[in-house]
Amino acid sequence: DAGVTQSPTHLIKTRGQQVTLRCSPISGHKSVSWYQQVLGQGPQFIFQYYEKEERGRGNFPDRFSARQFPNYSSELNVNALLLGDSALYLCASSLLHRANTGELFFGEGSRLTVL
Amino acid sequence: GIQVEQSPPDLILQEGANSTLRCNFSDSVNNLQWFHQNPWGQLINLFYIPSGTKQNGRLSATTVATERYSLLYISSSQTTDSGVYFCAVLSGAGSYQLTFGKGTKLSVIP
Repeated sequence: DAGVTQSPTHLIKTRGQQVTLRCSPISGHKSVSWYQQVLGQGPQFIFQYYEKEERGRGNFPDRFSARQFPNYSSELNVNALLLGDSALYLCASSLLHRANTGELFFGEGSRLTVL
Repeated sequence: GIQVEQSPPDLILQEGANSTLRCNFSDSVNNLQWFHQNPWGQLINLFYIPSGTKQNGRLSATTVATERYSLLYISSSQTTDSGVYFCAVLSGAGSYQLTFGKGTKLSVIP
């Protein structure tokens, strides 16, 4: 079975632009979470979605938004990009919406560079 | 929120050596996972271990939830073990976010 898949793997944007990142969870997993990892740090939680509803949000500005589709795939959107948004964006899926009862599995990430 | 501290921050080993990585956390947890991040950035699941001991080949992990720490043991290290090891925890009812430590960067030299 395929693991968590993310696209694109790498992308370069300029300040002020908008970006959309995509994620497909493991088959059968209904929960998707997004994390941001800047160089030298551990991943930071952005959002968690389950059954198309937002179930958790981290400490990120409103420029960050996400949604989940009926097939449980998800998109992360970032508007008005800043240099500080340059990071590895990781998507994770889990079987249950309450992550404290299930193991998370991560995709390979989308590496965003903002110039 | 919960604090997660990993030690040591950096570790250099000769191939074949053993090592212990530590993760301390500041509150009770419902979920604890260990990950290995490879040079390409992918987080690879090592253990899901909110309590107790597990083993998988040369790796094993122990979490003592009552004392708020977890240990990851790597035996007979290989160059392919190099990378960053993260501990991540989830605590509190209704909490959906994993909180990661800053990681331990392991370098195994031949």
